[in-house]
Amino acid sequence: ETGVTQSPTHLIKTRGQQVTLRCSSQSGHNTVSWYQQALGQGPQFIFQYYREEENGRGNFPPRFSGLQFPNYSSELNVNALELDDSALYLCASSPIPTSGRRGYEQYFGPGTRLTVT
Amino acid sequence: QKEVEQNSGPLSVPEGAIASLNCTYSDRVSQSFFWYRQYSGKSPELIMSIYSNGDKEDGRFTAQLNKASQYVSLLIRDSQPSDSATYLCAVPGTGNQFYFGTGTSLTVIP
Repeated sequence: ETGVTQSPTHLIKTRGQQVTLRCSSQSGHNTVSWYQQALGQGPQFIFQYYREEENGRGNFPPRFSGLQFPNYSSELNVNALELDDSALYLCASSPIPTSGRRGYEQYFGPGTRLTVT
Repeated sequence: QKEVEQNSGPLSVPEGAIASLNCTYSDRVSQSFFWYRQYSGKSPELIMSIYSNGDKEDGRFTAQLNKASQYVSLLIRDSQPSDSATYLCAVPGTGNQFYFGTGTSLTVIP
């Protein structure tokens, strides 16, 4: 069983540029969530994708956007990068629960460390 | 009030002792609760999930849930130096959001 993978591992960009981060979900998982984790903080929910559509969004501006593909892999795009966007970006995959219970186990990839200069 | 609150620590315990990590949450209708371990420079790793009031044990880890008090805790028995990490509490919210605490840093002293 393959776990969650992310690419690239590290990235350095200049303020104002655009960046695309990629994530492949764990085998059997159809939902992908993206998080931003600043140093010393817990992960902050950006959005979730299910069936190729955004299925929930946190308090992030529209310049953060995403895609999910038929094979459940996903991209996070950030436009007009700002210095405060420097963080660890985490992708987590999960199955949709069959019980109807809100919340389900999420499994994280290794993350992409983005530095904006 | 934040959705999930944790004591940021740092928490230090001697090897072999019990480490107790605490988390409170604000949403009374929360149904699922998760503990993640994050080593420095790594991504979070799921170690426990709990859905019902009471205790859930998995090896040296015990999660305790009290929905009336909106409180969830994680006990680590026989703490080992390899348990030194940041422990994150996570609680799902509305709109498929997940809320994480800021984490509690644990150091196990040999």
